[in-house]
Amino acid sequence: QQQVKQSPQSLIVQKGGISIINCAYENTAFDYFPWYQQFPGKGPALLIAIRPDVSEKKEGRFTISFNKSAKQFSLHIMDSQPGDSATYFCAATPMNTGFQKLVFGTGTRLLVSP
Amino acid sequence: DVKVTQSSRYLVKRTGEKVFLECVQDMDHENMFWYRQDPGLGLRLIYFSYDVKMKEKGDIPEGYSVSREKKERFSLILESASTNQTSMYLCASSRTEVSYNEQFFGPGTRLTVL
Repeated sequence: QQQVKQSPQSLIVQKGGISIINCAYENTAFDYFPWYQQFPGKGPALLIAIRPDVSEKKEGRFTISFNKSAKQFSLHIMDSQPGDSATYFCAATPMNTGFQKLVFGTGTRLLVSP
Repeated sequence: DVKVTQSSRYLVKRTGEKVFLECVQDMDHENMFWYRQDPGLGLRLIYFSYDVKMKEKGDIPEGYSVSREKKERFSLILESASTNQTSMYLCASSRTEVSYNEQFFGPGTRLTVL
């Protein structure tokens, strides 16, 4: 049962362009939404995260947009660079578990062409 | 610097063998996790542990068991390896704080079962 649906599965963007990855969830108990970035041969690493009390969070070129009513959130990478080429996973968790049990999306492989 | 290490990067085993995957973290984290990563399926939680000798089933525990005898070490055991357990296995750890949810991942073990 896929509780967090992620799209697209793969994405090719020109250098300098905007990369957009979308995720949707069903469980209204989710209240913490991180994005993880994974480079080849490495484990995933936390990139940016958002709580549903805000609609947007920006860190450098990376922005999360959050739509609570639609139960959707997305990652925008502005001015995409070849070094951003990686696999991106959205995730969700209810904050009150204490165990930080994350539910991950299926991943998006991003390729930024030079 | 935060560190999660896994005993092997690559492992090749035969069907029916008992397989041990070891994970060690040096951050004094309470929580530890085992995931498997497969293309198109994302990261799926196998087991997690929130304290020494404590374990909880994740979403896909069948065919696996775990052991946590020390806080820093979490082992994944395949009692009788099968070809459908060929996958990338990722270990992660995190602290138990409601407001701090980051999971730190190891580099992964690519297991091939022949």
